[in-house]
Formats: sequence, structure tokens, C-alpha cells
Amino acid sequence: GAGVSQSPRYKVAKRGQDVALRCDPISGHVSLFWYQQALGQGPEFLTYFQNEAQLDKSGLPSDRFFAERPEGSVSTLKIQRTQQEDSAVYLCASSTRTGFAEAFFGQGTRLTVV
Amino acid sequence: AQSVTQPDIHITVSEGASLELRCNYSYGATPYLFWYVQSPGQGLQLLLKYFSGDTLVQGIKGFEAEFKRSQSSFNLRKPSVHWSDAAEYFCAVLAGAQKLVFGQGTRLTINP
Repeated sequence: GAGVSQSPRYKVAKRGQDVALRCDPISGHVSLFWYQQALGQGPEFLTYFQNEAQLDKSGLPSDRFFAERPEGSVSTLKIQRTQQEDSAVYLCASSTRTGFAEAFFGQGTRLTVV
Repeated sequence: AQSVTQPDIHITVSEGASLELRCNYSYGATPYLFWYVQSPGQGLQLLLKYFSGDTLVQGIKGFEAEFKRSQSSFNLRKPSVHWSDAAEYFCAVLAGAQKLVFGQGTRLTINP
């Protein structure tokens, strides 16, 4: 597709359940980012990939959060043993290699933990 | 640490009126600054960005922003708003090579 695609759009998980959120970046985009947006807040950085290398994971809130991009294209954000405070919209973005270029954002996955 | 403050959580303006959304940043060096718009259920769309050069930058949808180093501000303006401009607006600063730090956002409501 032409834009960043995220799936599922909505996810309801019971507390303690594991979830996996998928991001398909724009074809050819080297850089990929994950952000977490809590209700009424701005997005907060989680992690950054350049190709398959995870160069910055400083924003991951706990060791329950894990992200991967094994072939340098599709990325998965996994949250283990979900907690209520994990409820948020998870945004994925991708950009080209040339310095910091415009990051194109997907529509996000809204995760609700009940 | 880098930070962005958007002092106004919610602003209401009448259709056709002018608009100014405030943004203040904290950053040690020359900042790279951005404004994004988010409509309900949508991702973030880039309106404009400032890297260097002319302090008045033009963006899409008739928006512009002015970088004022002395005031650490990057306010977003539009001369005449349209009902379709109702959305959430986020100011952001580039922190590190690739990480954006966002403000809390300003929700814009348009009165007919």
C-alpha cells in the first residue's frame, strides 16, 4: 500500500494476556518507529529501528515490551502480561534514510486492557 | 532534557476567524521543530517543519509557523480556519537523531 499500515486497528485484551501489534511500513523505508499515545496525551517514543537493527529502545516502559523487525521491513510490537496502564494507541511510523526525513505515521492500534 | 509545552489544551474559534496555537520548547542546540495534526481515528500528518533558515515556514492546508529563538517558541498560525481544521494539533522537537518529543496537544474546535 501507499502508507504505513497497522493491524489490528483495535484490540481488547484481558489483563495478563500477551498481545502482538503489527506494522507494515512504506516500502523501501529504512527507519521505523513505535510510539505510545495515552488518552489525552501526546505520543511518546518507544523504540527505533534502522533496517533490522534496533538502535534505540530507551522508551520501552518495561521488560514486558519487546519489538522486532527481523527482515528490515514488517515490525511487531509485543506486550507480555498486559496491564491496564498499557491501554493506549500504539503508533508506528517510517521514514527514508536521508538524515531525518518526514516520518509517515500509521493510523495506530488502540489497545484496551480490561 | 528536551521538552515541548503546549499551554492550551483546548481552543475554540469561529469558522473564518484567525488561529494561533502556542508551542514552547526546551532544547540546548538549534532545534528541529514540527507541527502535526491528528484527526479522530487517524494517524499524525505533518503540517510543517523547521530545520534552519527562514524563521517563517509555510506548510500544507494554509498553515504557517514562526520560529522565535528568543522566546523558545514555534507558534502555528492560520489566517482563516475552516470547519475541516477541527482536530488535535501536536508540536514536536527532534531529540537525538531520530526521536520526536511531542507536546501534550491542543484540541481545536470550530464553531459554525
